[in-house]
Amino acid sequence: DAGVTQSPTHLIKTRGQQVTLRCSPKSGHDTVSWYQQALGQGPQFIFQYYEEEERQRGNFPDRFSGHQFPNYSSELNVNALLLGDSALYLCASSFGGAGYNEQFFGPGTRLTVL
Amino acid sequence: RKEVEQDPGPFNVPEGATVAFNCTYSNSASQSFFWYRQDCRKEPKLLMSVYSSGNEDGRFTAQLNRASQYISLLIRDSKLSDSATYLCVAVYGGATNKLIFGTGTLLAVQP
Repeated sequence: DAGVTQSPTHLIKTRGQQVTLRCSPKSGHDTVSWYQQALGQGPQFIFQYYEEEERQRGNFPDRFSGHQFPNYSSELNVNALLLGDSALYLCASSFGGAGYNEQFFGPGTRLTVL
Repeated sequence: RKEVEQDPGPFNVPEGATVAFNCTYSNSASQSFFWYRQDCRKEPKLLMSVYSSGNEDGRFTAQLNRASQYISLLIRDSKLSDSATYLCVAVYGGATNKLIFGTGTLLAVQP
């Protein structure tokens, strides 16, 4: 049973570019959440997708957008990249979205913006 | 003020020591609490859930004090393999499980 997978593992972009990160949830999971983890910080919630809809959003600008597909996989898009967007982007999947359901994290995509 | 606050450490302890991590949360509406473990350059993994009645799993004990909005993690008989960052997490709301993480506490167990 594959766990949460993310691609690519590493990415280098320059300021102003756009990036798309991908996530496949754990088998049986229908909810995908995205987090940004800057160096030395805890993960920060970006948004959550359930039934192909953005269900909740953290304190991130509109440059951050996402999508969930019918097979529950998800994409995170970031436009007009800034140096401060350099971070580890984590995807987490769960079932149903209730607060007590464990979220399983993928290995992350490490984004470097030059 | 951060929603979940932790002492960032690092905590440097010898093998066999007992170490305690503390965490406070600001939103009294928080419903669920967890401790996650994150190894260097890896993803966070759930260590244990935290309940008001306490939760023990082998050498690990977690405790929640809702009145003080305080969460703790106790590690007994520390092993070298316990070296990692420990993240305190609060969850708000029942309809979504948005995890609010602390900055994490770095533990280094020395031989």
